[in-house]
Amino acid sequence: EIVMTQSPATLSVSPGERATLSCRASQSVSSNLAWYQQRPGQAPRLLIYGASTRATGIPARFSGSGSGTQFTLTISSLQSEDFAVYYCQQYNNWPRYTFGQGTKLEIK
Amino acid sequence: QLQLQESGPGLVKPSETLSLTCTVSGGSISRSSYYWGWIRQPPGKGLEWIGSIYYSGNTYDNPSLKSRVTISVDTSKNQFSLKLSSVTAADTAVYYCATSHHDFPWFDPWGQGTLVTVSS
Repeated sequence: EIVMTQSPATLSVSPGERATLSCRASQSVSSNLAWYQQRPGQAPRLLIYGASTRATGIPARFSGSGSGTQFTLTISSLQSEDFAVYYCQQYNNWPRYTFGQGTKLEIK
Repeated sequence: QLQLQESGPGLVKPSETLSLTCTVSGGSISRSSYYWGWIRQPPGKGLEWIGSIYYSGNTYDNPSLKSRVTISVDTSKNQFSLKLSSVTAADTAVYYCATSHHDFPWFDPWGQGTLVTVSS
């Protein structure tokens, strides 16, 4: 099983600042990585696929990078609605998937 | 545009079988190359993929659930279902259904989720 590890567990950032979230895979997943955003009480929402491609309707302030085992989600200028939990997910060996444990992005 | 909606009992007794249904609207569940999946989230914790069924009927499940999972499709009702046997309190979670595609294997969209509590 491919284990996905996210860091940090909690990230405190002020509105308007940049947030950088990390995800590491226990073995290479190439670029087969997605990021999801989950607001309280809501289902996860797809943000990024293919490690760096924004899903439909996702603002340009969200960007993804990386390949192999190291990935980053960057939010360039945090808006109030961006404070949420973010999950990475590998689909390199789909249809068997694994998620990271999540990073909670909170207001500083 | 596809929409998914989970339904089923919110309370299940220990050792019994959890049964949930996901109703698909906005498209046929039989459409080629689509996977229909279940994901769960224990209270305050992260996401765990449970299993998926391909449009052809092939199923895939998470080995950590030790063969307790059954996923099936009812094309006449445009629904797919999850059965999880021998449940314990550790199976208490919000259960989501979601879809993916052979060429786009990420989950999108998701249902809103339904909370299932395992308790006597």
